[in-house]
Amino acid sequence: AQSVTQLGSHVSVSEGALVLLRCNYSSSVPPYLFWYVQYPNQGLQLLLKYTTGATLVKGINGFEAEFKKSETSFHLTKPSAHMSDAAEYFCAVSETNQAGTALIFGKGTTLSVSS
Amino acid sequence: EAQVTQNPRYLITVTGKKLTVTCSQNMNHEYMSWYRQDPGLGLRQIYYSMNVEVTDKGDVPEGYKVSRKEKRNFPLILESPSPNQTSLYFCASSLSKLGNSPLHFGNGTRLTVT
Repeated sequence: AQSVTQLGSHVSVSEGALVLLRCNYSSSVPPYLFWYVQYPNQGLQLLLKYTTGATLVKGINGFEAEFKKSETSFHLTKPSAHMSDAAEYFCAVSETNQAGTALIFGKGTTLSVSS
Repeated sequence: EAQVTQNPRYLITVTGKKLTVTCSQNMNHEYMSWYRQDPGLGLRQIYYSMNVEVTDKGDVPEGYKVSRKEKRNFPLILESPSPNQTSLYFCASSLSKLGNSPLHFGNGTRLTVT
């Protein structure tokens, strides 16, 4: 079964600083990868996804992620943090087996942004 | 507006009292799923449905039931809730069961079982 590891349950940055949220996955085949964001008292929203093609994926709100097959990583970055980026971020990998397809989530990383 | 609607948003109940959390989507999505979110554990899948009358267990199905009689609705049923089912629950849907189809989430139901 595939798994997702998010390094660091909490990340704190200053406003204007680089945001880097780490995600590693285990998969024996090319995966579909996703980043979701959860703002307080809300459901999860899709930030970006990688399916095939270009390995650098751009998402909403200035975020992007790069698929690195050799490192089995899909780290999320943003050049300059904004206060409104404070939220919980989830990396997810799509797993397909005989029973069907499921989305496997990491445990999440809470991003704090200070002024 | 395309959305997944869950009700209620907050629910406090007592052990053993049956409850249903409703979920409805207006996007004609085939795939629907229920997750629970607990601190430090992320999201764990409870049940999912590939289409009408087709449901299957996720990672943590014990103590839950679901049904999919109509494409748009996917209620979560707790026949005899217990305190360990206190959690934040999310319903989600996607266009198809294919792996590259993103999930659309509801706003969540916070359940407390005393």
